Amino acid sequence: NAGVTQTPKFQVLKTGQSMTLQCAQDMNHEYMSWYRQDPGMGLRLIHYSVGAGITDQGEVPNGYNVSRSTTEDFPLRLLSAAPSQTSVYFCASSYLGVDYGYTFGSGTRLTVV
Amino acid sequence: EDQVTQSPEALRLQEGESSSLNCSYTVSGLRGLFWYRQDPGKGPEFLFTLYSAGEEKEKERLKATLTKKESFLHITAPKPEDSATYLCAVRRSRSGANNLFFGTGTRLTVIP
Repeated sequence: NAGVTQTPKFQVLKTGQSMTLQCAQDMNHEYMSWYRQDPGMGLRLIHYSVGAGITDQGEVPNGYNVSRSTTEDFPLRLLSAAPSQTSVYFCASSYLGVDYGYTFGSGTRLTVV
Repeated sequence: EDQVTQSPEALRLQEGESSSLNCSYTVSGLRGLFWYRQDPGKGPEFLFTLYSAGEEKEKERLKATLTKKESFLHITAPKPEDSATYLCAVRRSRSGANNLFFGTGTRLTVIP
């Protein structure tokens, strides 16, 4: 049981480049989400999904796209990277309506230069 | 505006020196308060969920309590392995699905 797997662990991008952060879970969780963590600001919700084919925006969605074609996968796309997107990104999943708390991935540290 | 404020930002304790971490919140329609532990370079790890004032939950040396305005994470006789950042988060009735709103955390260091 791998839990939540995020790839890559580290990435450096140039301003304007695009890329996809991968997230996969093997727990059959309906809910999946992406957060970014910045010093002094806590974790902020980017996008979330309550099931395959259903996505919605969180607090800070600008510059990011998501899709959910399967229960297991929830990739996050950066359309045109900007230095303000330098951050640590976490994917999290959980069952809907059952408050066991999220299972988080180990994070992707992204630097945009 | 909803707020979750954690204090102190950082705390250094001697091994065995008990203390408490605070999470105060101003949230309309609280649907749960969560505590997580985060080790450096890793994702947060779920500890507790509290739903109503007066509720308490325990796990090893940790005990979480909840009032109408704040939550405390009590650490009894801490060990160096308890060193981590502790995050508080709330689920709000106006938020979609399982979404959480996080505080900025308390970084705990336990010195042997």
